[in-house]
Formats: sequence, structure tokens, C-alpha cells
Amino acid sequence: NAGVTQTPKFRVLKTGQSMTLLCAQDMNHEYMYWYRQDPGMGLRLIHYSVGEGTTAKGEVPDGYNVSRLKKQNFLLGLESAAPSQTSVYFCASSAASRRETSYGYTFGSGTRLTVV
Amino acid sequence: AQSVTQLGSHVSVSEGALVLLRCNYSSSVPPYLFWYVQYPNQGLQLLLKYTSAATLVKGINGFEAEFKKSETSFHLTKPSAHMSDAAEYFCAVGGTSYGKLTFGQGTILTVHP
Repeated sequence: NAGVTQTPKFRVLKTGQSMTLLCAQDMNHEYMYWYRQDPGMGLRLIHYSVGEGTTAKGEVPDGYNVSRLKKQNFLLGLESAAPSQTSVYFCASSAASRRETSYGYTFGSGTRLTVV
Repeated sequence: AQSVTQLGSHVSVSEGALVLLRCNYSSSVPPYLFWYVQYPNQGLQLLLKYTSAATLVKGINGFEAEFKKSETSFHLTKPSAHMSDAAEYFCAVGGTSYGKLTFGQGTILTVHP
């Protein structure tokens, strides 16, 4: 019963390098989200997906791209990493909900990314 | 639009003392409110949630929260702190489209022996 699994757990990148973070969930959830966590700023939504093949921008989407080719996977890409993208990244998933409801999230354990 | 303000980025209590973590929200729709806990180097775990049923919500590990619409608050309490409660706590509000949650800045709880 894995829930939400994120890989890798840690990564160090040089400025300008690219990478992809993988999120996988085994709960058949429709909705998936990527957040970044920075000290004193809580969690901020980067991108989200409401179903296979769909993605949408969140609060801080610049510098990131996402894809959801399979329902269980949600990928976050950094095309050209910058030091400002040093952060802890969390993936979360949720069951589909009617408008104006929220069931809450199941979170992954996070990816700690450092860009030097 | 929705927002969450957690009053106090750090709270320190003695073991056995009352824990009170404050959360105020703003929402244009009836809110769904959540408290999550994050232990060091881990993801966030759900403590409790308010979904328009009872205004006093009981969660795991002895925590509870009361929804007060007139005060737009959802403060988290625990009668007696344990050392194991030391963690960062996040309040979140939802109720808009696609289940999205907006999080507060977080409160780090320190418990002294």
C-alpha cells in the first residue's frame, strides 16, 4: 500500500541542467498536484492535473513543465534549472470531487532539490 | 480567492502544556479546512479536516480543531503536549475547483521537557 511515491528523494543540479521528477500514485486518484515548499512560505502550487492527458498552471508555474500521460503518473520537469528553484518538491493526489468540495490530499515524501 | 494565515511561525510549549496553533482563513465559498503535520524530512500527514458537518473536529494523536465562521478561524488544540508532537503544522483551505488546497505558512511546534 504505497500511496504516493516520489523519485528521486534528493538531487543536486548545476545551473542550466534539466531533470524530471516522477510522482506515482496507486490509489486511482483523478487529481494530482505539484507543490514546492520554501521556508516561511508554506506550500505553493506549481501545476496540477485533473485527469490523464490534462494539466493546468498553479500559482508558481514559471520554469516548470508537467505531463500526465498515464493516470497514475505525474511528471514535473525543469528544463533549465536556476538557483531559485532550490526547494523541496511535494507531489499530492486526491480523489475527484464535485465543484466546491475538497477531500484533502495524500502526499508523497518529497524531493529535496539543490541547484548550484 | 482563498488564503490562510497562521499566526506565529514558531510556538514553544512545555511537555504536558496546552497546545494552541492559530489559523485564520479567507474564502469566498463555504470552506473545507484541514490541518496537516510534517515531521522532519517527511511528507505531510492529515491530522483532521472540517467538511461542514460538526464544527468541533477530532483528529489523530489527540488533536482537535473548532470551526468558527464568525471569526473565520480554525485553531488547532491539544490539551497536553508530548515530545513526539514536535513538528511543523500546516493549515489549509479548500472548496474551490478540482479539490485544490491553499496552505498557510506553517507553524513549527517545539516541545520542551
